[in-house]
Amino acid sequence: GDSVTQMEGPVTLSEEAFLTINCTYTATGYPSLFWYVQYPGEGLQLLLKATKADDKGSNKGFEATYRKETTSFHLEKGSVQVSDSAVYFCALSLISSGSARQLTFGSGTQLTVLP
Amino acid sequence: SQTIHQWPATLVQPVGSPLSLECTVEGTSNPNLYWYRQAAGRGLQLLFYSVGIGQISSEVPQNLSASRPQDRQFILSSKKLLLSDSGFYLCAWRQGNQPQHFGDGTRLSIL
Repeated sequence: GDSVTQMEGPVTLSEEAFLTINCTYTATGYPSLFWYVQYPGEGLQLLLKATKADDKGSNKGFEATYRKETTSFHLEKGSVQVSDSAVYFCALSLISSGSARQLTFGSGTQLTVLP
Repeated sequence: SQTIHQWPATLVQPVGSPLSLECTVEGTSNPNLYWYRQAAGRGLQLLFYSVGIGQISSEVPQNLSASRPQDRQFILSSKKLLLSDSGFYLCAWRQGNQPQHFGDGTRLSIL
């Protein structure tokens, strides 16, 4: 079945450090890929997305490139801030799943940024 | 613009009691609606989804049920809660080619 594998956390970085959170997927079709962020005590917010190979999603300094050849969608940020501390989820959605287009999530990666 | 509301934000219930969590979406029509559960320190598990009024698909067997009595209303229920039902419950909606958008969640603690 379809699945998403994320880098295990927790990840702890100092402010202004470079961030990479790895995400790889397996899918029977051609998925759309997403990163969601969950701040403490809140719901999930869409951070960025990519719908086809070589697309780069970007938002708030975060970037991820859809790599079909490596089935990856790694999240990167050049300089993290304390306010980026949150749980990050990689997810995929397949058109072939019909009109429901369920999301398949990774297990989440807890990021803590220290001042 | 579209908004999604979940309530209550937090809930503490005894084992064996009933449950009703409500989710409503505004600013759109005929959305797909979803219920997820997030256990402490874990990822999200899709519980139910609905593509229309009265249409409910269940992803995992459990003592929870869902209903969609109106186009933009999605309710998660249980007749008798178990300790294992504790968690963070998230409602989401989607329409067309948009990604899913989530509510703020309900934190449910079972005592």
